[in-house]
Amino acid sequence: DTGVSQDPRHKITKRGQNVTFRCDPISEHNRLYWYRQTLGQGPEFLTYFQNEAQLEKSRLLSDRFSAERPKGSFSTLEIQRTEQGDSAMYLCASTKEGISGANVLTFGAGSRLTVL
Amino acid sequence: SQQGEEDPQALSIQEGENATMNCSYKTSINNLQWYRQNSGRGLVHLILIRSNEREKHSGRLRVTLDTSKKSSSLLITASRAADTASYFCATETWTAGNKLTFGGGTRVLVKP
Repeated sequence: DTGVSQDPRHKITKRGQNVTFRCDPISEHNRLYWYRQTLGQGPEFLTYFQNEAQLEKSRLLSDRFSAERPKGSFSTLEIQRTEQGDSAMYLCASTKEGISGANVLTFGAGSRLTVL
Repeated sequence: SQQGEEDPQALSIQEGENATMNCSYKTSINNLQWYRQNSGRGLVHLILIRSNEREKHSGRLRVTLDTSKKSSSLLITASRAADTASYFCATETWTAGNKLTFGGGTRVLVKP
């Protein structure tokens, strides 16, 4: 297992188009997270899954954003009717729920979205 | 919203010098973690310190935690050009869900 994979690495789209990002976590990790990061800022939490269940969504996540993890393995993040403000790096991370209680995240390289 | 706020926002040092950055947070935490991010890449976990710990070491890294002041510091000793990156603190509070809340980061430049 080579870590967390994200695809595509870069996406340029026109305003109003839909885009979808895919994340393949480390296989034994049951928790998967999506974060958004804009230039010069820290990652901002969007949503997370435990297995296939989406357990939390940020209040900042508009209804244009939807995420799925249908079989508890890979996840997709879809943005509908993209806006220029959606331009950012979308980071996926995963971890294994452990007895220690702490969530140490392994991040993918990110998917950079540019909305023209 | 950002739970942690790093200080300074940017730091420029010579190779071989120490780099110190601070993180302040607002609410009680269960643990605090530091991550590094090289330009345009994902984040890499560096070190975790739990709320009942005061200091931890890992190689050239030293982290302190003062829960009474709601602050943490990360010290990188004998810095190298390869340490050039952005460093983020992230807090975890179990009553707020199983997620990390990141600060805005400190951008460190180590000049050879």
